[in-house]
Amino acid sequence: AQSVAQPEDQVNVAEGNPLTVKCTYSVSGNPYLFWYVQYPNRGLQFLLKYITGDNLVKGSYGFEAEFNKSQTSFHLKKPSALVSDSALYFCAVRDLRSNDYKLSFGAGTTVTVRA
Amino acid sequence: NAGVTQTPKFRVLKTGQSMTLLCAQDMNHEYMYWYRQDPGMGLRLIHYSVGEGTTAKGEVPDGYNVSRLKKQNFLLGLESAAPSQTSVYFCASSWSLAGVGNIQYFGAGTRLSVL
Repeated sequence: AQSVAQPEDQVNVAEGNPLTVKCTYSVSGNPYLFWYVQYPNRGLQFLLKYITGDNLVKGSYGFEAEFNKSQTSFHLKKPSALVSDSALYFCAVRDLRSNDYKLSFGAGTTVTVRA
Repeated sequence: NAGVTQTPKFRVLKTGQSMTLLCAQDMNHEYMYWYRQDPGMGLRLIHYSVGEGTTAKGEVPDGYNVSRLKKQNFLLGLESAAPSQTSVYFCASSWSLAGVGNIQYFGAGTRLSVL
C-alpha cells in the first residue's frame, strides 16, 4: 500500500521568510513523488516531481523539494515566500512496485503568506 | 490555449436527480481522470480512462458512471444523486499514466451540492 501524509493543515509565514511544507510518504518500493498547488477556485497545478537522481528537485515559481529516503520525506521549500504563494499544496506519491497507475494524494496544506 | 475545461462550474441537485459533468481537453492526451475533492481528504480517484472507448474504476467509483466516446472528452454521470456526492469534482488528463511519473493537467473544477 502507498500513502502520503501532510502533517500540517496550515502553515503561516511572513513575506520574505523561508517557507516549508512537509510531506512524508509510505511505500513498499521506491516512490515517484509530486507536489501540486491549488489556488482558490482553480484546479491543481504541477509544481515539481521526483523520479530518480538528484535528491534536490527544482520546480516552478522558485520552489524546490528535497527527497530524503531515510526519513521518507519530500518537503517542499521556498527560500523567500511571496504573498502570491498563498494557496493549498498537495503532495502525491506512487509506489513503483505497484502494478496500478494510481497516485495517492495527501490531505493538503493551506499556506498563508502575510504581507 | 484552453487545456482542460470542465462544465458546468457549479450545480445544485436534489436527491435522486441525475446529471452529467463534461470534461474536454485539447492537448491530445490519451489518459483522463475524474477525482473528487473533499475537505481534509485530498483527491480521490473516481474513474479513469486510458484511451477512447475505455474506462476503469478508481478508488471511489460507486454511484458514478463514465464514458469516453471521443478522445478529447470524458463524461462523469451521476444517475441518482445522493447528499454524500456533494463535493468538488476535478477532471485531469495526461500523456501517459500519471503513476509512471507523468504530469496531470487539471480543470478548474465543478462544485456540486446535492440537497
